Amino acid sequence: EVQLVESGGGLVQPGRSLKLSCAASGFTFSNYGMAWVCQAPTKGLEWVASISTGGGNTYYRDSVKGRFTISRDNAKNTLYLQMDSLRSEDTATYYCARQGGTGSSDYWGQGVMVTVSS
Amino acid sequence: DTVLTQSPALAVSPGERVSISCRASEGVNSYMHWYQQKPGQQPKLLIYKASNLASGVPARFSGSGSGTDFTLTIDPVEADDTATYFCQQSWNDPTFGAGTKLELK
Repeated sequence: EVQLVESGGGLVQPGRSLKLSCAASGFTFSNYGMAWVCQAPTKGLEWVASISTGGGNTYYRDSVKGRFTISRDNAKNTLYLQMDSLRSEDTATYYCARQGGTGSSDYWGQGVMVTVSS
Repeated sequence: DTVLTQSPALAVSPGERVSISCRASEGVNSYMHWYQQKPGQQPKLLIYKASNLASGVPARFSGSGSGTDFTLTIDPVEADDTATYFCQQSWNDPTFGAGTKLELK
């Protein structure tokens, strides 16, 4: 059974940093691209960042470029999102998602909440 | 960014057929996907690449379209289908529609 379990969320002050993790199991992690998608309270979904199977290619939405870094450790079956210079508008639930070959997200974690507030 | 426009809400009776539309601001070939999200849960993939049923999804769900206009159809609708449905394109940097909330009468 495919499982994606996020951790590392919480309350953080504006300008500070946070690192999210996503532990994957039930599939060969190194064979799949991965992504982070966020959802602000009562809002829709927004793609945040994606990473290729080996980690050599990364992609970001414009609003997080230079502030967020997506990475992966295939030996540990874990996806990461380093979030720096956090802003109030980054407040959201962050989902880790496995990428299908067509760019769809075929499995999602349960999400982790990040609240940026003083 | 490619903007995806969905109608905000629909209400149907169980047993009826419902079509949920998604219009893209520019062509996305067939790289349109559909998700179901129930309150407090993560999204679930229903349809990928416009018309392909995801694993384990009932055949009551189907998708169609190409270019800029896409449709998710549920036939027949069941009570458990109460949820918000999102479209997402992956032809350009991924974007999602704002979602269509489906309610049952």
